[in-house]
Amino acid sequence: GQQVMQIPQYQHVQEGEDFTTYCNSSTTLSNIQWYKQRPGGHPVFLIQLVKSGEVKKQKRLTFQFGEAKKNSSLHITATQTTDVGTYFCAGRVTTNAGKSTFGDGTTLTVKP
Amino acid sequence: DAGVIQSPRHEVTEMGQEVTLRCKPISGHDYLFWYRQTMMRGLELLIYFNNNVPIDDSGMPEDRFSAKMPNASFSTLKIQPSEPRDSAVYFCASRPSRDYTYNEQFFGPGTRLTVL
Repeated sequence: GQQVMQIPQYQHVQEGEDFTTYCNSSTTLSNIQWYKQRPGGHPVFLIQLVKSGEVKKQKRLTFQFGEAKKNSSLHITATQTTDVGTYFCAGRVTTNAGKSTFGDGTTLTVKP
Repeated sequence: DAGVIQSPRHEVTEMGQEVTLRCKPISGHDYLFWYRQTMMRGLELLIYFNNNVPIDDSGMPEDRFSAKMPNASFSTLKIQPSEPRDSAVYFCASRPSRDYTYNEQFFGPGTRLTVL
């Protein structure tokens, strides 16, 4: 079945440093979504990427979708303590009717 | 809109007891998903419904787990009998159909289940 892998599993940074998490799928995706889960909270949708090579930005966050639509990345510039949490990617394949497969997530901690 | 509503928020029970988790999706959303989250296994999709019909239950761990959606505004996840390894946070999520490219899921606050 489809697998979505994320690396790294954990990332500890000093406030102000950059952070990147990578997502790789075993199959070509029709689209990919990114979610953020704060400690003790629930996943919250951040963004969706659909087109090959697509790049989207949300303030300090930059999301990319690979040309082959099998990988994606989330980059945070100049991390802040408010960025702490677990970031999940979720990929959907063309043949799948309704579900997205979630990666294991990358947990980010930021030291002030 | 109140968002996805789950109850109870916390449940502590003893091994062997029946547990029922409840979910009310956002009005107008016709997809409903049940997830389980643990440190060891991450976020797992258990089952999802479309228009109240179960579409994929391949993630349901075993026969002790069952899920129903009797109408568009209510779903239950039942564990009978419960075991300590079922301890986890259970999330319900919903989304509308819209077009094929729309996939944003709205998650509820979760139910933290502890089986002693």
